[in-house]
Amino acid sequence: DIQMTQSPSSLSASVGDRVTITCRTSQSISSYLNWYQQKPGKAPNLLIYDASSLQSGVPSRFSGSGSGTDFTLTISSLQPEDFATYYCQQSYSTPRTFGQGTKVEIK
Amino acid sequence: EVQLVETGGGLIQSGGSLRLSCAISGFTVSSNYMSWVRQAPGKGLEWVSVIHSDGGTYYADSVKGRFTVSRDSSRNTLYFQMNSLRAEDTAVYYCARADNWNYGGPFDYWGQGTLVTVSS
Repeated sequence: DIQMTQSPSSLSASVGDRVTITCRTSQSISSYLNWYQQKPGKAPNLLIYDASSLQSGVPSRFSGSGSGTDFTLTISSLQPEDFATYYCQQSYSTPRTFGQGTKVEIK
Repeated sequence: EVQLVETGGGLIQSGGSLRLSCAISGFTVSSNYMSWVRQAPGKGLEWVSVIHSDGGTYYADSVKGRFTVSRDSSRNTLYFQMNSLRAEDTAVYYCARADNWNYGGPFDYWGQGTLVTVSS
């Protein structure tokens, strides 16, 4: 199974801040990396697929980059509605695996 | 509009069985790859199962031999039969479409989730 390691596990940031979350995989997965946002009590919502493609309807302040084993999710200017938990997920092989999540909190 | 609505969760004793349903609108269940993903209280996401468009099924080791995924094309509904339930199966269970599974696609549509609580 491919192991996913996200960092940090949590962070505190202010509205307007640039936020970066990283995801590292235990083996190369090319660009088969997706990012989801989850708010309390809600289902995950797809933000980025194929490492850098923005899902339809997702604000352009979200962006993704990386390939191989190292990936990044960036929020260019944090908005109040962005406070949530973010998960990376590999779709290179079965079983699909998720990172442990990064909780973005208000500073 | 795409909608996935899960039902069937509840409180069950250890060793018991439960069947979850995921009613789908907006696309055809039999033409798509569909997964179940679960989330234990306060924990992260765990993929548990997929059913391919050709009917093939795959499971996480944690549920293999105990859980079965199936679908009913006439009802456009996905099912998850869970047997021999354990306390560690306690979680919110989500159904999700696994877009383009064979080409590394993401989970692009999700249901709202249904809570399964297994009491020991």
